[in-house]
Order: sequence, then structure tokens, then C-alpha cells
Amino acid sequence: AQSVAQPEDQVNVAEGNPLTVKCTYSVSGNPYLFWYVQYPNRGLQFLLKYITGDNLVKGSYGFEAEFNKSQTSFHLKKPSALVSDSALYFCAVRDPINTGFQKLVFGTGTRLLVSP
Amino acid sequence: DAGVTQSPTHLIKTRGQQVTLRCSPKSGHDTVSWYQQALGQGPQFIFQYYEEEERQRGNFPDRFSGHQFPNYSSELNVNALLLGDSALYLCASSWTGTSGTDTQYFGPGTRLTVL
Repeated sequence: AQSVAQPEDQVNVAEGNPLTVKCTYSVSGNPYLFWYVQYPNRGLQFLLKYITGDNLVKGSYGFEAEFNKSQTSFHLKKPSALVSDSALYFCAVRDPINTGFQKLVFGTGTRLLVSP
Repeated sequence: DAGVTQSPTHLIKTRGQQVTLRCSPKSGHDTVSWYQQALGQGPQFIFQYYEEEERQRGNFPDRFSGHQFPNYSSELNVNALLLGDSALYLCASSWTGTSGTDTQYFGPGTRLTVL
């Protein structure tokens, strides 16, 4: 069964500095990978996804993610963090075999705190 | 263009009661998935509806059931509520295209508290 791991419960970064939120995955076959962000008392907002193609995926709000097949990783990055980026970030993987089935398996989440 | 909407926003029930949560998908979407997010955890997949049928289900008991209507909206029903059912219930909609790579977009959720 597919799974994702987010090894850091919390990441702290100063505003203006680059940020990285880590995610590793385990799937059979080619992975479909996603990043979502959740603000307090809100649903999940889609940031970006990797299906195939370039290993560097660009998404919303200046975020990007790097897919690394050999390390089975899909880390979220941003060159310059903003205080407003402070939120809970979730990595997710979808069943790549049954493409008609869209079940997402989520990690436990990483809280990002950006200090002024 | 309205996104995914859910109702109600909050709900308080007592153990043993039944609850119904509602979801309207994003315009152009035909598939609805439901997730349960307990406090401090990632969302867990409950089930997915397409063409008014449940086509995939996660590890949830039969107390959890659902329905999809011809206009693609959906309901999640939970019977015999337990304290452990307290959570944020998220609805996500997507389009089941031929590529199967479509993104799920989430609603704001319904916060269910079971006392």
C-alpha cells in the first residue's frame, strides 16, 4: 500500500529565508504526489502536484517541489518565506495503478512557522 | 466560480445519534470524496462517489455511509455516533477524466463534536 512520511512535525524559518518541508513516499509503480496547505479552521488548499515530466514542479504562491525518484522524496520549497506562509502542510500520494480511483493518502503534516 | 461548499460548518451531537453532512462540488466536477481529519492528524479517506455509486472505500465501518445525487452533490451519514467520531470532515471534488490525474479540491469542512 502507498504511504508518505513527513519526518518533521515543525519547521521554523525566518522571513526572507528559503524554506524546505520534507516528504518521502512509498508506492508501487509511478507515484502521483501532491502538496496541500491548511490554514487554521480551514480546509485544504491545493499547492502543486507531480504526475510525470520535469522533476521540479512549480505551484501556487511561489512554492515549488522537487521530485527525486532515487531518494523517493518530494520536498516542498520556496526561495523566500513570508510570515503569511505559516500554516500546516500536507504531502499526499495517490494510487498510481487504479487511475480511476482517486484516494489520497496523506502524511501527518508539518507545521511551518515563519518568524518576522 | 464557487468552489466546494459544505454544510453545516459546525455540528454538536451526542453519542448514539445520527448525523448527515452535505457537500456541493466545484462546478464541472463529477466525483466527490470524503475524508475524516482527527485533531492533529492528516486526513483519512472514507469513500468516494462517482456516477451516484460508491467506487472506493477506506477503512471505516458500515456506520459511515454516503450518497451522491444526480447533480453530483453528496451526503455523508454517520450512525450510532461515538466520541471518536469527533473530527473535521472534509469533502473534496474532482473530475474523473480519462487521464485519471485530476486534482481534488477541498471544501472548508464540517467540524463534528460528539459529546
